[in-house]
Amino acid sequence: NAGVMQNPRHLVRRRGQEARLRCSPMKGHSHVYWYRQLPEEGLKFMVYLQKENIIDESGMPKERFSAEFPKEGPSILRIQQVVRGDSAAYFCASSPQGDNEQFFGPGTRLTVL
Amino acid sequence: AQRVTQPEKLLSVFKGAPVELKCNYSYSGSPELFWYVQYSRQRLQLLLRHISRESIKGFTADLNKGETSFHLKKPFAQEEDSAMYYCALSEGDSWGKLQFGAGTQVVVTP
Repeated sequence: NAGVMQNPRHLVRRRGQEARLRCSPMKGHSHVYWYRQLPEEGLKFMVYLQKENIIDESGMPKERFSAEFPKEGPSILRIQQVVRGDSAAYFCASSPQGDNEQFFGPGTRLTVL
Repeated sequence: AQRVTQPEKLLSVFKGAPVELKCNYSYSGSPELFWYVQYSRQRLQLLLRHISRESIKGFTADLNKGETSFHLKKPFAQEEDSAMYYCALSEGDSWGKLQFGAGTQVVVTP
């Protein structure tokens, strides 16, 4: 089991462009979580998804950010019209049904120029 | 509101000395508490969770609901314990949403 996969590992965007971050959960895991980590801070919850459903998006900014976890394929975190303040490390985690233990991916480091 | 507080950003200890990482939380319900660790150039991984009551790599943590704390302890620190440690909380009514503290960097010197 390769663990949670995230790509790209590093992403550079100019202000106003779109950023797409991908997350493939561990085999057999049906729950995906996205977290953001700003410099010198802990991880902040963004969104919790199951296949084709958003369960909790209380940590998502109201504008420009969206997430999906389709029936087939990876989960995608999309940031439209990026700004410098979006520069951060974005972590994805997954867990199996009925268990709160979350397994983390290596993260995607987004830099907005 | 900050739910999880880790007051120490950096903890430097000598090899063989005891180490204690503090974690306090604010939540009036029944929380689930976790300690995650991130070694250099590795991904974040679960160290232990309070419901399992296990000792992992010599570390233990006891949930103290009266003091709302979940401090992590190890009697004899090893150099390989040098890492970033995060305390995390899951609230009973927000299952799946982990709230992390800011983290404590532990440096164990020989």
